[in-house]
Amino acid sequence: AQSVTQLDSQVPVFEEAPVELRCNYSSSVSVYLFWYVQYPNQGLQLLLKYLSGSTLVESINGFEAEFNKSQTSFHLRKPSVHISDTAEYFCAVRSPQGGKLIFGQGTELSVKP
Amino acid sequence: DVKVTQSSRYLVKRTGEKVFLECVQDMDHENMFWYRQDPGLGLRLIYFSYDVKMKEKGDIPEGYSVSREKKERFSLILESASTNQTSMYLCASTSFSYEQYFGPGTRLTVT
Repeated sequence: AQSVTQLDSQVPVFEEAPVELRCNYSSSVSVYLFWYVQYPNQGLQLLLKYLSGSTLVESINGFEAEFNKSQTSFHLRKPSVHISDTAEYFCAVRSPQGGKLIFGQGTELSVKP
Repeated sequence: DVKVTQSSRYLVKRTGEKVFLECVQDMDHENMFWYRQDPGLGLRLIYFSYDVKMKEKGDIPEGYSVSREKKERFSLILESASTNQTSMYLCASTSFSYEQYFGPGTRLTVT
């Protein structure tokens, strides 16, 4: 069975510092991987996705994630965070069974001035 | 613009009441999903549907049922609400691009 583990429940960081949110998955089949972001009092929005091709994927707001098959990881990084990046971030893997997503427990990113 | 809407942002119900949570998408997606979100547990799948009148149990279906009479609408039903069903409920739909689109969520409190 597939599963997703987000290794940090909370990540506090100062503004303009780099950040890495860690995600490991387990799967015996080809994977499709996603990062979603949830701002306070909102639903989830897709941040970026890996379906195939280049193992490094980028979002429009400066985040990037690298698919590492040997380490079964899909860590999210940003070289310099802003206050507005404060949110909860969820890593997910798509199940082969018809579009279901399996989510990690979430990581709360808190950016302090 | 892609849109998933949920009938209420906040809802307060009493123990034992029947509760309906409605979700509507305007993207002509076949697949729709209901999740509940609790701190430290992430999102857990309650039910999903591949097509009209079709439904599949997710990971935590106990105490819930669903209805999908029209392609765009997927309803979650709590037959007899209990306090342990106090949670954030999120609806989503998906296309063949694999991306799931989420509604804004309904925060349900059962007292």
